[in-house]
Amino acid sequence: DVKVTQSSRYLVKRTGEKVFLECVQDMDHENMFWYRQDPGLGLRLIYFSYDVKMKEKGDIPEGYSVSREKKERFSLILESASTNQTSMYLCASSSGVGSYEQYFGPGTRLTVT
Amino acid sequence: QQQVKQSPQSLIVQKGGISIINCAYENTAFDYFPWYQQFPGKGPALLIAIRPDVSEKKEGRFTISFNKSAKQFSLHIMDSQPGDSATYFCAASIGEYGNKLVFGAGTILRVKS
Repeated sequence: DVKVTQSSRYLVKRTGEKVFLECVQDMDHENMFWYRQDPGLGLRLIYFSYDVKMKEKGDIPEGYSVSREKKERFSLILESASTNQTSMYLCASSSGVGSYEQYFGPGTRLTVT
Repeated sequence: QQQVKQSPQSLIVQKGGISIINCAYENTAFDYFPWYQQFPGKGPALLIAIRPDVSEKKEGRFTISFNKSAKQFSLHIMDSQPGDSATYFCAASIGEYGNKLVFGAGTILRVKS
């Protein structure tokens, strides 16, 4: 079974803090994604990566950056957390070889106070 | 601007009834249309998917109907069960680098026993 793990289920941070969200997949997948999920807005793509050290902006990249130094690990960074970044963050991966299926982690509920 | 519009936002169905969720899209370059199912506390998981060269795909009690000319697709859940209570997301992909998915806003389904 594909497993995508995220470093924290719940996180509480203060405004202005630098926040790191970590994601690890164990299936040697090429592609990795970060989404945020908000009620009534569905899943919105923040950033994705189709290879190690490669990254592309998604639909809502402002206020976020990412890092992919190793194939299995994809990190989302909030340089200076703000209250409007309070959300559920979901990481996903896909094989990238003839398959569109994305496998999701359980999510990190981030609250910025 | 949401590229995939999903309705309804929420749905209550009696056990044994048919649940129907609809999605519409604008971009005719989309070539893959999946549905994801998400239970509370879990990440979304692929339920069923279709490509635009077929008009219907069935897997057990779940059916996708696809209307290319109308740019619409829908999920039908036959004989709905309380265990089907979840949030359902439609999505679409162009299949460019990274196989990005664009998600609808989601439908919260509750099946009453």
